[in-house]
Amino acid sequence: GAGVSQTPSNKVTEKGKYVELRCDPISGHTALYWYRQSLGQGPEFLIYFQGTGAADDSGLPNDRFFAVRPEGSVSTLKIQRTERGDSAVYLCASSPQVRSPDEQFFGPGTRLTVL
Amino acid sequence: DAKTTQPPSMDCAEGRAANLPCNHSTISGNEYVYWYRQIHSQGPQYIIHGLKNNETNEMASLIITEDRKSSTLILPHATLRDTAVYYCIVRVAVGNEKLTFGTGTRLTIIP
Repeated sequence: GAGVSQTPSNKVTEKGKYVELRCDPISGHTALYWYRQSLGQGPEFLIYFQGTGAADDSGLPNDRFFAVRPEGSVSTLKIQRTERGDSAVYLCASSPQVRSPDEQFFGPGTRLTVL
Repeated sequence: DAKTTQPPSMDCAEGRAANLPCNHSTISGNEYVYWYRQIHSQGPQYIIHGLKNNETNEMASLIITEDRKSSTLILPHATLRDTAVYYCIVRVAVGNEKLTFGTGTRLTIIP
């Protein structure tokens, strides 16, 4: 079956611009996660959705970052007034169950470059 | 979540067993040990997880010491496709859904 998909695969933008990154989770997965990965580092947690609500947004670095999941399926990560330090690979993952522990299925990521 | 310590890199000959160690000396009784790997330019991939007992699946085996302060991931017959960064993660069983990645071990399989 189809895995987690993310679009676009690459995004180049200029400092100060607004960007949206999209994640399509595996069908039926209720949990969705966003992570950010800088070069040479492991992925860093940003936010976790259970259904439509953000159950844990403690990893969002500041108020320029916002994510939504209005119908409990597709999610969009939104970054306002982008900075060069926002350049990274943004990873999305989904998992099927509420109960922990649970395997997370990752997408291929969106590589964001802020010039 | 408890902190994990892994060697930054390891090599293994193709066809041999790859043994990747992980220290998690501050692990709590309700924390599981998870292993993920990340092949270049892909998202992380789940390998295996365990609580106390040793576990085996089609990809690997996980050996957890009796005091649970360390574990070893074993890839029994490494292939070139196993070249990746391997992450050892400890994760609370209930109430904490996020994965906390370290920098992992870069495993290179040598032909």
